[in-house]
Amino acid sequence: NAGVTQTPKFRVLKTGQSMTLLCAQDMNHEYMYWYRQDPGMGLRLIHYSVGEGTTAKGEVPDGYNVSRLKKQNFLLGLESAAPSQTSVYFCASSYPGSGSDVTPKNIQYFGAGTRLSVL
Amino acid sequence: GEDVEQSLFLSVREGDSSVINCTYTDSSSTYLYWYKQEPGAGLQLLTYIFSNMDMKQDQRLTVLLNKKDKHLSLRIADTQTGDSAIYFCAESIISGTYKYIFGTGTRLKVLA
Repeated sequence: NAGVTQTPKFRVLKTGQSMTLLCAQDMNHEYMYWYRQDPGMGLRLIHYSVGEGTTAKGEVPDGYNVSRLKKQNFLLGLESAAPSQTSVYFCASSYPGSGSDVTPKNIQYFGAGTRLSVL
Repeated sequence: GEDVEQSLFLSVREGDSSVINCTYTDSSSTYLYWYKQEPGAGLQLLTYIFSNMDMKQDQRLTVLLNKKDKHLSLRIADTQTGDSAIYFCAESIISGTYKYIFGTGTRLKVLA
């Protein structure tokens, strides 16, 4: 049971280069998210998707684009990488569900992360 | 606005109890979560509490929620070296998108 898989695990880019990070989930989840994690700042939401073919901006969307052409995949693109985009990127997915006092809605499941350095 | 705050570091001795604190600002949160991040890994759900509860206990973990003060805490009894990790609290705001607001994370170091 793979869960949420991110590729690649590591990448080094030069300023101005482009790349795409891939997130794949095998849990048939509706919602998918891209976060970045920086020291002392926790996780910040970049973009998210509430279903196939839909995307929305999160807290820090500038410099990133996303696509959700298939339900199981959520791609994060950097068109022209900048040193400020050096970070660890996490993908997550969730299923809204009905929720209850016992089982909450929307538990998010995370990938192992992609460590990106932009020189 | 929405904000979740945590202290950045906590150091305890093996066998002692650890208490990690979190404050949040959005009183409409319905669920509050604790996630654990081990070195080089993603986040894993540790436990959660529904907003109409004051306390939840799960083996060595005790979650306390004070809604009046918007304060959440995670107590780990008999802390072990394997508990060394970063702990994030998060609130889930039911706004149609089910976004989480994460805290900054508390790095717990357990000394042998």
